[in-house]
Amino acid sequence: AAGVIQSPRHLIKEKRETATLKCYPIPRHDTVYWYQQGPGQDPQFLISFYEKMQSDKGSIPDRFSAQQFSDYHSELNMSSLELGDSALYFCASTPPEEGNTEAFFGQGTRLTVV
Amino acid sequence: AQSVTQLDSHVSVSEGTPVLLRCNYSSSYSPSLFWYVQHPNKGLQLLLKYTSAATLVKGINGFEAEFKKSETSFHLTKPSAHMSDAAEYFCVVSDRPGSGGYNKLIFGAGTRLAVHP
Repeated sequence: AAGVIQSPRHLIKEKRETATLKCYPIPRHDTVYWYQQGPGQDPQFLISFYEKMQSDKGSIPDRFSAQQFSDYHSELNMSSLELGDSALYFCASTPPEEGNTEAFFGQGTRLTVV
Repeated sequence: AQSVTQLDSHVSVSEGTPVLLRCNYSSSYSPSLFWYVQHPNKGLQLLLKYTSAATLVKGINGFEAEFKKSETSFHLTKPSAHMSDAAEYFCVVSDRPGSGGYNKLIFGAGTRLAVHP
């Protein structure tokens, strides 16, 4: 069965550079979530999209932006990268059916800022 | 507002002894509840889920959880711990407030399970 695909799996950037992380949800899933997990930390919610519109916003810095496209894939754009942005970034998706709200997570993109 | 509280940040057990990881939630709606496991440097794997069917839920690797609405709890248990169970465990609440609305996923802070020989 198809899973949530994230790319790239690993990314190394220098301070002040820009990074783009991509998330491809499971087909027919209409909601996408982004989480940031720092070393030894629990996942922190960044932002979510439902039917291509932002549905909820968490602790996402102003330097970051995200969007969901017509094919439901989502991209997280990160500018002016800082050392503290080094983390594992997870994407998750959920299906549209009522009563079935299981979230499926991707393997994550590990971003290292040097 | 929804919230999830994992009552123990660290739990340490001996191999072969029972495991109990505690989770309490608050929700204004009828939530779905999940336990995910994360091994070091790995992604999140679903252990089990409650979605308003049977209150006792069986998951993978011998784990179970019981949904108790009166106590707003969803504690994770396993009769006998294995060394491979050492990992971080997250309790997650998912609400869909109203028909056609989007899901909200709320994470607990996580419980790190250590298993000693």
